[in-house]
Amino acid sequence: DIQMTQSPSAMSASVGDRVTITCRASQGISNYLAWFQQKPGKVPKRLIYAASSLQSGVPSRFSGSGSGTEFTLTISSLQPEDFATYYCLQHNSYPPTFGQGTRLEIK
Amino acid sequence: EVQLVESGGGLVQPGGSLRLSCAASGFTFSSYSMNWVRQAPGKGLEWVSYISSSSSTIYYADSVKGRFTISRDNAKNSLYLQMNSLRDEDTAVYYCARDGVFDYWGQGTLVTVSS
Repeated sequence: DIQMTQSPSAMSASVGDRVTITCRASQGISNYLAWFQQKPGKVPKRLIYAASSLQSGVPSRFSGSGSGTEFTLTISSLQPEDFATYYCLQHNSYPPTFGQGTRLEIK
Repeated sequence: EVQLVESGGGLVQPGGSLRLSCAASGFTFSSYSMNWVRQAPGKGLEWVSYISSSSSTIYYADSVKGRFTISRDNAKNSLYLQMNSLRDEDTAVYYCARDGVFDYWGQGTLVTVSS
């Protein structure tokens, strides 16, 4: 199985900050990676697909990059509604595997 | 509009069974593979099972293999998860998610395994 190592597991930041979250795959997954945002009690929401494609309706301050084994999610200027938990997901091969999550908190 | 609506969750004793359903609308259900994903209270997301559009290919997580059975009825636009021999650690919110790219998710149904 492909392991996804996500970092950091938690972080605090201020409104307006630039934030980067990283996921590393234990083997190459091409660009079969998605990023999800989940707020407490809510359904995960896909932000990025194919490593760098922005989901329709998602603000342009979110961006994704990477290919192979290393991927990043960047939020260019944090907004109050961005404080949530973020997960990466590889779907290059079954079983698909999620990163352990990054909890983004207000500083 | 794509909609996925899960149902069938509830409280069940260890060793018991439960059948989850996911009703799909707003897209051609028979053309898409489907997944079940779960999330234990306060924990991360865990993929559970996959079924291809024609039911010809099925996968399970090791944690549920031999206990859970995924199925679908394309005529009824519905996905199912039969869960047997339930354990405490199966307690979670169960989501259905569309396709191998997980682009749409249902709102989830809570399964609680407890005596």
